[in-house]
Amino acid sequence: GDSVTQMEGPVTLSEEAFLTINCTYTATGYPSLFWYVQYPGEGLQLLLKATKADDKGSNKGFEATYRKETTSFHLEKGSVQVSDSAVYFCALPRSGGSYIPTFGRGTSLIVHP
Amino acid sequence: DAGVTQSPTHLIKTRGQQVTLRCSPKSGHDTVSWYQQALGQGPQFIFQYYEEEERQRGNFPDRFSGHQYPNYSSELNVNALLLGDSALYLCASSLNVGAYGYTFGSGTRLTVV
Repeated sequence: GDSVTQMEGPVTLSEEAFLTINCTYTATGYPSLFWYVQYPGEGLQLLLKATKADDKGSNKGFEATYRKETTSFHLEKGSVQVSDSAVYFCALPRSGGSYIPTFGRGTSLIVHP
Repeated sequence: DAGVTQSPTHLIKTRGQQVTLRCSPKSGHDTVSWYQQALGQGPQFIFQYYEEEERQRGNFPDRFSGHQYPNYSSELNVNALLLGDSALYLCASSLNVGAYGYTFGSGTRLTVV
């Protein structure tokens, strides 16, 4: 079935550093792709999405570009803050035309002052 | 406007027992999905309820069952608990089987001893 693979964490950065979290997908066709974020003690929140190839999703300074050539959807931010410390999940819909997200294993981000 | 509400927030059960977790969806939402998130892993889809019926199911045994009520609230039941059932259980609500995105609750932390 369709799936995503994320880089292992934790990713540890100093404040104002550049962030990249890698995500690659395996899918039939070109499904929508998503990044969700989970802050400590909370549920998941949709961070951004892209619905077709070459689309760029963006929110709160985070960006991700849907690249079909490399089947990737890497998450980037130019200058991270301590408040960005969280677990980030790449996701795509379940196979068969469903809207139900299937998640990667998550990448923990720790940002130090 | 209340988001997704889950109860209880924490629960400890003994192996072999049965447990019921509850979810109230966000106002205006009619679909409820349940996920299991083991420590350090991404959420795994259990099942989705829409119009009081189970519409889709993930790769979980029949020990996991659910229900949706006419007011759209939902329950997740797990019978014959195993130590491996210890996890964070997340409820996500949506409108029209998720066509417009998902809102997640903060989850119920189940510990089986």
